[in-house]
Amino acid sequence: GAVVSQHPSRVICKSGTSVKIECRSLDFQATTMFWYRQFPKKSLMLMATSNEGSKATYEQGVEKDKFLINHASLTLSTLTVTSAHPEDSSFYICSAESPGQGVRGDSPLHFGNGTRLTVT
Amino acid sequence: QKEVEQNSGPLSVPEGAIASLNCTYSDRGSQSFFWYRQYSGKSPELIMSIYSNGDKEDGRFTAQLNKASQYVSLLIRDSQPSDSATYLCAVGTTAGNKLTFGGGTRVLVKP
Repeated sequence: GAVVSQHPSRVICKSGTSVKIECRSLDFQATTMFWYRQFPKKSLMLMATSNEGSKATYEQGVEKDKFLINHASLTLSTLTVTSAHPEDSSFYICSAESPGQGVRGDSPLHFGNGTRLTVT
Repeated sequence: QKEVEQNSGPLSVPEGAIASLNCTYSDRGSQSFFWYRQYSGKSPELIMSIYSNGDKEDGRFTAQLNKASQYVSLLIRDSQPSDSATYLCAVGTTAGNKLTFGGGTRVLVKP
């Protein structure tokens, strides 16, 4: 099955520093990856759509200068949380489309294992 | 604004019984529907996908879709303690795979 690897799984950083999270599709090419954020006992909130070779599309209310997304290859997307603050502490999850299994080319998403970010 | 609604639970189910989870969505243009299972501190895992009205069965899981009623459900037969998790309903449109997630239903299967 399609495997998405996310690294690191857990990171603690000081306020004001930047943190980079990597998302890799290991056995398939992903032209599109998605970045989500999840607060405790809440659902996943889409932050941005990462497109290989082009600028990411951010959801309303997500600061693109704070959450930098780079999708430089068909297997790697990165999310950099710049000048992190305690309120950025959250569970960040990436997902990638695998080759379609459903009708109309729809394809289920496969998620990375998530990154638990704690900003002190 | 597109919304996906789920009862937050917890839904308590005896081992061996059927767990029934419901999800409603607001966007009539929705075309793809997914159920994910998420254990605490872990990322979601795809259980079922359904695109057409009716039932779709996979092992102990059955997804049911009714687009007219904007309703999708998940049945878990012969519930096991390992099924205890949060189940997320996700809905997508034909405009790519950008999904909207419900808040999740927490399921507790008691031995």
